Amino acid sequence: DAKTTQPPSMDCAEGRAANLPCNHSTISGNEYVYWYRQIHSQGPQYIIHGLKNNETNEMASLIITEDRKSSTLILPHATLRDTAVYYCIVRGADSWGKLQFGAGTQVVVTP
Amino acid sequence: DSGVTQTPKHLITATGQRVTLRCSPRSGDLSVYWYQQSLDQGLQFLIQYYNGEERAKGNILERFSAQQFPDLHSELNLSSLELGDSALYFCASSVLGQPDEKLFFGSGTQLSVL
Repeated sequence: DAKTTQPPSMDCAEGRAANLPCNHSTISGNEYVYWYRQIHSQGPQYIIHGLKNNETNEMASLIITEDRKSSTLILPHATLRDTAVYYCIVRGADSWGKLQFGAGTQVVVTP
Repeated sequence: DSGVTQTPKHLITATGQRVTLRCSPRSGDLSVYWYQQSLDQGLQFLIQYYNGEERAKGNILERFSAQQFPDLHSELNLSSLELGDSALYFCASSVLGQPDEKLFFGSGTQLSVL
């Protein structure tokens, strides 16, 4: 699976949009981009995933660049409960369940 | 609530001992995964089962073993425990174990080896 690079931390003001970048320059054509988050030692929580097209669900939006070498997770209106470590993961067709978690981005939402 | 149940929530034991961690997947999910999270290693994939069969293996030590039973619950057995085995152990499940599926994680078992 392709490796990902994320900033170690970022702050966001409550009510504002949080834009979390992720680089995955070695991604292959059949590899998905997944985002999970972990709120203080709880089990990781699925947020969103995509292959080529941009995706949106009730939690967030995922923007994948045309060359697929990077992506951005957008939390449209951050709340204090969005404070968590956010993991960007690239997962290929041959990886089965092997989600390779990196260090992630520690997001702190402040009032 | 993810629907994945892990027991016990906390476990304290001594070095050299053996423990069993239990996981019940979401209703209808056939695949179960085990992860270990320690302060220095982060979240590490250990092993995956699908419908009772081992499907993928990660950084699982030989002292550790797992199985998935006919009712689809899974157990992770840790033996000859060492101080370094202290960690959060998460179980996750998905429907078919395919790469385009979401994984749903349980709340974990905190293992402390003293």
